[in-house]
Amino acid sequence: DVKVTQSSRYLVKRTGEKVFLECVQDMDHENMFWYRQDPGLGLRLIYFSYDVKMKEKGDIPEGYSVSREKKERFSLILESASTNQTSMYLCASSPQGMGEKLFFGSGTQLSVL
Amino acid sequence: GENVEQHPSTLSVQEGDSAVIKCTYSDSASNYFPWYKQELGKGPQLIIDIRSNVGEKKDQRIAVTLNKTAKHFSLHITETQPEDSAVYFCAASRLHGSGNTGKLIFGQGTTLQVKP
Repeated sequence: DVKVTQSSRYLVKRTGEKVFLECVQDMDHENMFWYRQDPGLGLRLIYFSYDVKMKEKGDIPEGYSVSREKKERFSLILESASTNQTSMYLCASSPQGMGEKLFFGSGTQLSVL
Repeated sequence: GENVEQHPSTLSVQEGDSAVIKCTYSDSASNYFPWYKQELGKGPQLIIDIRSNVGEKKDQRIAVTLNKTAKHFSLHITETQPEDSAVYFCAASRLHGSGNTGKLIFGQGTTLQVKP
């Protein structure tokens, strides 16, 4: 089975901190994604990557950056955390040619105080 | 860009009844429509998907129908069971020729509760 692992289930940070959310997939998938999930808003795409060292902005990239140095790892970075970034963050991956069939991690619930 | 609206936001049914969740999309070029199920404490999981060259697809107790003219698609769950209780998300995207696609745009989600 495909496994997408997010490093933390719960995270509490203070405003202004730099925050790293890590995601690792074990199925050699080309594509990786970061979404945030908020009640009533569904899942919104922050950034995605189709290849190592490649990244593209999603619908809500402001305040975020990403890093993909290795194929299996995709990191989301909050340069200076703010309270409006309190949310559930979901990482996903999908194989080449099947960009839509996403496999999600269990999520990281981030609280910024 | 694409916009996906999903209704209802919450749905409560009695075990054994059917449940229907509806989504509308705005981009007539969208041609791929998946449904994801998210159980408590887990990430969403793909349960069924449909492409625009097909009007209906069924997998055991779940089915999806697509009306391209009206730009809406629906998830149907028959003979609901307590384990069907979850949050369901619809989504839409436009397939590119290479298979490496554009973005999936998700609906707002529907919380389904199946009462025993």
